[in-house]
Formats: sequence, C-alpha cells, structure tokens
Amino acid sequence: EAGVAQSPRYKIIEKRQSVAFWCNPISGHATLYWYQQILGQGPKLLIQFQNNGVVDDSQLPKDRFSAERLKGVDSTLKIQPAKLVDSAVYLCASSFDRDQPQHFGDGTRLSIL
Amino acid sequence: AQKVTQAQTEISVVEKEDVTLDCVYETRDTTYYLFWYKQPPSGELVFLIRRNSFDEQNEISGRYSWNFQKSTSSFNFTITASQVVDSAVYFCALSPKVRTDSWGKLQFGAGTQVVVTP
Repeated sequence: EAGVAQSPRYKIIEKRQSVAFWCNPISGHATLYWYQQILGQGPKLLIQFQNNGVVDDSQLPKDRFSAERLKGVDSTLKIQPAKLVDSAVYLCASSFDRDQPQHFGDGTRLSIL
Repeated sequence: AQKVTQAQTEISVVEKEDVTLDCVYETRDTTYYLFWYKQPPSGELVFLIRRNSFDEQNEISGRYSWNFQKSTSSFNFTITASQVVDSAVYFCALSPKVRTDSWGKLQFGAGTQVVVTP
C-alpha cells in the first residue's frame, strides 16, 4: 500500500512570509497528525485530526499556525507569518484509528532565512 | 505529565558489534503503549515495535530485541550484530491507551544517534 505522502520535500522562505504543507494519508486512515521536529530533538505533536475534526491542537501556535482536513482525507498545515524559530522538519503521520500505530511521511524540511 | 528520556545522545560501534539503546519513561497512566521508531538519514520515521503496558514479555525480531521492565519504567532496544544500514536516529515514544483527548498522542524522547562503521 502507498505510504503517507507529503509535499513539498524542501522549502526555503524568508521570515514573515507564509508557507503551506500538504499531506495525503494512507488510504482508509481516519486519524492524521502533524508533528514539528526541530534539529536534534524528537518530534512534537502540533495537531491531531480524527476524520475532519480536531482532537488535540493544544501545542499548535494558533497565532501563526493553522491546519485543516476538510474532507477527512488530505490535510494542509499553514504558517503565516513565519518566524526564524519555525525552521524545522514538519512530519505528517496517519493511523487507522487512535489505537493503532502511526505511520509517517518523509517530512517537509523548512528553512527560514 | 508524560516524559521519555533517552540519555544516550550518540553511540558509535563497529560493524557486527551489539548495541543497546536505553529508554526510561514517566507516566501517570495505568495503561499505555511504548514504541520504537527508526529515522534514517532520509528523514522518514519507520515504525519498529509497539508494546502494551500489560505485556512485559521480551520480544525478538531478527537482529532486534526489546526488553520491557515495568518495575524500572524502562523499554530498552538491542541491535545484535550491527550493520552499516542500522545507522540512524532511534526514538523511543510513549502514548496513553485511555480514551481521553491525549489518546494516540505520541510523546517522543530526544533520540539516540547510532553510527555503525565498517
């Protein structure tokens, strides 16, 4: 089966610009997660969707980050405006349900100049 | 609050040596899952294993083995006869099993970089 697809693979922007990331989960997976991984650290959960509803967004910086999963399949994560501290790899993961292991995409490496 | 500690930042071994990665966790949940993920240089996190907190049996899968000890809150991972392809960052993670808002949320450790040289 196809894995979790993410795009773009790399993105370089200047601070205060906006950027968007796209994720297509494994077919049939109801739960979708976005993680932020800063260099040298473990991934940190930003937001968790169950179908098209938000389950947990307690660690999402809502003044600049937003995410949606309108039809319960694909998801987009947006940053506007970007700050230097947002430089990281953004990982998308999906699972069949919240009780099943998560499978990750290759991630988007974001560099802020 | 949940916490996962991987005290080893980097381990370097020569091919065919064994390597053990330590993982210590803290949680107030009575039921939970423990995981190990591998992150090769390509960046993708690869799922290796999940253990239920009720199941303390050690597990072996090929050259990989896991030692879960609830009494010491540890879930250690051993690679036997290491190979160059094992070079990666390995993450230990914890997830509550209870059906609350945190259900399914992974708490990762900082990771251990394993370098295997020929």
